Amino acid sequence: KAGVTQTPRYLIKTRGQQVTLSCSPISGHRSVSWYQQTPGQGLQFLFEYFSETQRNKGNFPGRFSGRQFSNSRSEMNVSTLELGDSALYLCASSLRSGGYYNEQFFGPGTRLTVL
Amino acid sequence: ELKVEQNPLFLSMQEGKNYTIYCNYSTTSDRLYWYRQDPGKSLESLFVLLSNGAVKQEGRLMASLDTKARLSTLHITAAVHDLSATYFCAVDIGTSYGKLTFGQGTILTVHP
Repeated sequence: KAGVTQTPRYLIKTRGQQVTLSCSPISGHRSVSWYQQTPGQGLQFLFEYFSETQRNKGNFPGRFSGRQFSNSRSEMNVSTLELGDSALYLCASSLRSGGYYNEQFFGPGTRLTVL
Repeated sequence: ELKVEQNPLFLSMQEGKNYTIYCNYSTTSDRLYWYRQDPGKSLESLFVLLSNGAVKQEGRLMASLDTKARLSTLHITAAVHDLSATYFCAVDIGTSYGKLTFGQGTILTVHP
């Protein structure tokens, strides 16, 4: 079974630009969550999408947005990039089948560098 | 607001020794997850702990959960170099199934 895939794996952008990252979940998984990982702040939750709807949102500015398509693939967008947005962006997928817990499986990440 | 704290943050061990990583969290939950991250890599799921007293073991790693104390432990037995990595605990609460709150991570280095 293929794992979570993320594209691109590496990105270099300049301040003020915008960027779109893509995530394809494990087949059959309907929930996609996004996380930002930086050395200073650690792993922080951005948002979660399930059935094309945002279900949970973290404490990030509105420049960070996302969406989910009918095939469960998800994209996140960051507009007006700032230097502090340089990070590893991780996407995780899970079944979210209504069970008691929701184990998340992570993709390889997209390394974003903002110059 | 849920807070998750790990200690120690850095752990340097000799091969063959035992040690424990602690994970405390601030809000009632009985769902706790342990992940491993190798340098430059993504997170690998190690354990899912779902009830008070839950204990899971895989190889030289054993994880447990005490929901009353809001504490999970990851015990390393007879460490080997291959266990060198960063270990994270994470918690989700209530119906926020898709939102994990992570600890700071413990960087484990095992020396020969």
